Amino acid sequence: AQSVTQLDSHVSVSEGTPVLLRCNYSSSYSPSLFWYVQHPNKGLQLLLKYTSAATLVKGINGFEAEFKKSETSFHLTKPSAHMSDAAEYFCVVSDPSGGSNYKLTFGKGTLLTVNP
Amino acid sequence: NAGVTQTPKFRVLKTGQSMTLLCAQDMNHEYMYWYRQDPGMGLRLIHYSVGEGTTAKGEVPDGYNVSRLKKQNFLLGLESAAPSQTSVYFCASSYEGIQPQHFGDGTRLSIL
Repeated sequence: AQSVTQLDSHVSVSEGTPVLLRCNYSSSYSPSLFWYVQHPNKGLQLLLKYTSAATLVKGINGFEAEFKKSETSFHLTKPSAHMSDAAEYFCVVSDPSGGSNYKLTFGKGTLLTVNP
Repeated sequence: NAGVTQTPKFRVLKTGQSMTLLCAQDMNHEYMYWYRQDPGMGLRLIHYSVGEGTTAKGEVPDGYNVSRLKKQNFLLGLESAAPSQTSVYFCASSYEGIQPQHFGDGTRLSIL
C-alpha cells in the first residue's frame, strides 16, 4: 500500500526567500512521485514528476524536488518565492506494484502563503 | 485547446435530488477519473475508466454512479444527493497508464 504525508499543512514565507515544502511517502515498490499546484478555484497543475531517472527533478516556475530513497522523501524547493507562488501544493505518489500505475494517492496539501 | 472541461462549474441541490456532472476531454486520452476534494483531505478517487464502455470503483464510490459511453466523455451521477456529498469534484484524464493526469477546473457542489 502507498501513502503520502505532507509534513506541514501551512507554510508562510516572505517574497524573495526560499521555499521548502516537505513530503514523505510510503511505497512497497519503486514509486512515481509528483507535485501538483492548485491555485484558488482552479484545477491541479503538474509542477514536476519523478519516474526513476535523475533524483533531482526540475519543474516549472523554478521549482525542483529531490528524491531521497533512504529518507523516503520528496521535498519541493524554490530558491526565491514570488507572490504568484501562493497556492496549495499536493505531493502525490503512484505505486505500480498493484498492477495499476495510474492510481494516484494524494497528500492532504500544503497551503503556501507568500508575504510581501 | 480546451483540455478537460467540466460542466457545470457550480450547483446547489436539495437533499434527495439527482444530478449529473459532465466531463469532456479533447486529448484523446483513454483513462478518465472522478475525484472529490474536501478540506484537509486531499483528493480521493471516486470512480475511474480505462477506456470507452468501462468503469471501475475507486476509494469512495458509494452514492455515485458513472458512465463512459463515449471516449471523450465521463459522466458522474448522484441519484439521491446527501449533504455529505457537498464537495468540489474534479475530473482528470491521462494517456493510458502514463502519467501525468490532466485536471479540469472543478465543479463546486453544495447539497442543502
